[in-house]
Amino acid sequence: QQQVKQSPQSLIVQKGGISIINCAYENTAFDYFPWYQQFPGKGPALLIAIRPDVSEKKEGRFTISFNKSAKQFSLHIMDSQPGDSATYFCAALNYGGATNKLIFGTGTLLAVQP
Amino acid sequence: GAVVSQHPSWVICKSGTSVKIECRSLDFQATTMFWYRQFPKQSLMLMATSNEGSKATYEQGVEKDKFLINHASLTLSTLTVTSAHPEDSSFYICSASVIYEQYFGPGTRLTVT
Repeated sequence: QQQVKQSPQSLIVQKGGISIINCAYENTAFDYFPWYQQFPGKGPALLIAIRPDVSEKKEGRFTISFNKSAKQFSLHIMDSQPGDSATYFCAALNYGGATNKLIFGTGTLLAVQP
Repeated sequence: GAVVSQHPSWVICKSGTSVKIECRSLDFQATTMFWYRQFPKQSLMLMATSNEGSKATYEQGVEKDKFLINHASLTLSTLTVTSAHPEDSSFYICSASVIYEQYFGPGTRLTVT
């Protein structure tokens, strides 16, 4: 019940295309859903996050879509660029729970071809 | 804002020695810091949760006597890998939390020879 399932494992997108990464969770107590971007040899960087009281959040080319009833959320990268090539992790958190531990998905390796 | 630093960024040590990794929140105070380990092409594995002024909480399977964590202040946590062995070679990453947001450090690459 603590798992966050992420797909696809890898993704190849042409420059200018839309990259879509999906995550699903079971624990309805989760109330914070961030996405992290990680380049090789670097720590993850917080990209965008959403709370379940909204269905969509947009920041620049990055959008989170959130479906509370389906317990799913996704990251959309519009106008994908080669510089977006990285590994993306979704995560979920139950703030105020016994521990404020992030539960991470397995990651998606995105390659944007020029 | 919300910058987390780690030192060193990479370290090579001999088997049997100990190595200390520092994690600092540079522009904010973090009541909670987390230590992760990451193997190549894998997700982050939480090792322990560290609260300022109290003992760290270790995840199941993580040896607390091997991975010593000290959270001396609201801006500094340290991880000491004691009696390191080659199997401890990995990428260690810390994070610091502000309310529910976690900000990660750049990571420390540990190689034990």
